[in-house]
Amino acid sequence: RKEVEQDPGPFNVPEGATVAFNCTYSNSASQSFFWYRQDCRKEPKLLMSVYSSGNEDGRFTAQLNRASQYISLLIRDSKLSDSATYLCVVTPYTNAGKSTFGDGTTLTVKP
Amino acid sequence: NAGVTQTPKFQVLKTGQSMTLQCAQDMNHEYMSWYRQDPGMGLRLIHYSVGAGITDQGEVPNGYNVSRSTTEDFPLRLLSAAPSQTSVYFCASSSDRGRRGNTIYFGEGSWLTVV
Repeated sequence: RKEVEQDPGPFNVPEGATVAFNCTYSNSASQSFFWYRQDCRKEPKLLMSVYSSGNEDGRFTAQLNRASQYISLLIRDSKLSDSATYLCVVTPYTNAGKSTFGDGTTLTVKP
Repeated sequence: NAGVTQTPKFQVLKTGQSMTLQCAQDMNHEYMSWYRQDPGMGLRLIHYSVGAGITDQGEVPNGYNVSRSTTEDFPLRLLSAAPSQTSVYFCASSSDRGRRGNTIYFGEGSWLTVV
């Protein structure tokens, strides 16, 4: 079983739709969690951190359930510019160099 | 703002050739890593470093060597290129310190083809 598993996708949604991505992780050790965005043929960039209490950044909401070892990302009112691959990332507290990435979920937002 | 700089951006190698991918960061980050990304897949960790003089293997280290003689530089060496090493390579740096601790910063990627 992979350490980090994501919805395989792809997700094809119309503009304005709400879409949710899920991610599960297998290592219950103390870790930090993130969502990264990767555009085609580009490097990944941080979208947002994920906190146990849940956190929101504009149209994006991230949730973490440590008991179920589950992370989610909700995008409301999808824009064409949200089209990208979204990567779930798990980082050990004491070694940010050893992060584990999910395979990514590709989102295409259509007019 | 340079951030993480890696070179070359594109390279074609013949099977059996060796080469070095260069990576430098100017953020004084203690952690540096090399990942490879194959089509339709996430990033897999090749090697990482927690500071100058300290390196360790990641998930897919075979066929690659690294060294970290300075905080800034973390080159990746392909010892004898094989077609299975055709991939996109990303260098990354990060730090536990500061407000954005644990954020990973990536270079722009190196597209490597082994024929």
